[in-house]
Amino acid sequence: NAGVMQNPRHLVRRRGQEARLRCSPMKGHSHVYWYRQLPEEGLKFMVYLQKENIIDESGMPKERFSAEFPKEGPSILRIQQVVRGDSAAYFCASSGGWQETQYFGPGTRLLVL
Amino acid sequence: KQEVTQIPAALSVPEGENLVLNCSFTDSAIYNLQWFRQDPGKGLTSLLLIQSSQREQTSGRLNASLDKSSGRSTLYIAASQPGDSATYLCAVRPNTDKLIFGTGTRLQVFP
Repeated sequence: NAGVMQNPRHLVRRRGQEARLRCSPMKGHSHVYWYRQLPEEGLKFMVYLQKENIIDESGMPKERFSAEFPKEGPSILRIQQVVRGDSAAYFCASSGGWQETQYFGPGTRLLVL
Repeated sequence: KQEVTQIPAALSVPEGENLVLNCSFTDSAIYNLQWFRQDPGKGLTSLLLIQSSQREQTSGRLNASLDKSSGRSTLYIAASQPGDSATYLCAVRPNTDKLIFGTGTRLQVFP
């Protein structure tokens, strides 16, 4: 039973480029959460999605960031025109329902040069 | 606004010691509280989850307690081992979808 999968595990981008982070939830899970961990800081909630719906995006920066969870395929966190301050570890978690335990993936470490 | 604080920020102990990690939160209206372990460059591993109606949970050498009214939780690690070296994160879940994390306690257990 595969856990939450994220790819790529490491991503290097130059300022101004786009970053696409992918998350495949655990089998049978339809709820996905994205968190960001800035250097030397705790994890901060970004967005909560169900299939084809954004449920809560209260933690998403207002500009350049977007997320989707299509009917088929992984959830994608997209960062346009990356800046150095976007360098962080981005974690995805999934659950079978909003009240259920969230299981975390290994994270994608984004480095913006 | 819910805030989660973990004390100490770092801890270094010799192998074999029993130790306590502390977590405090400002709003007692939580659905559950969860302790995670994070190894350098890795993801999060869930250690223990305590529902708001529970007082403690145990798994092997780990014991977590919850005092919701005072906004505190402790993670007790018995007979620590070098393999326990990691960052330990506490996260509370308000009656919503998101987890709110503390900044963690970085533990080093030396032989």
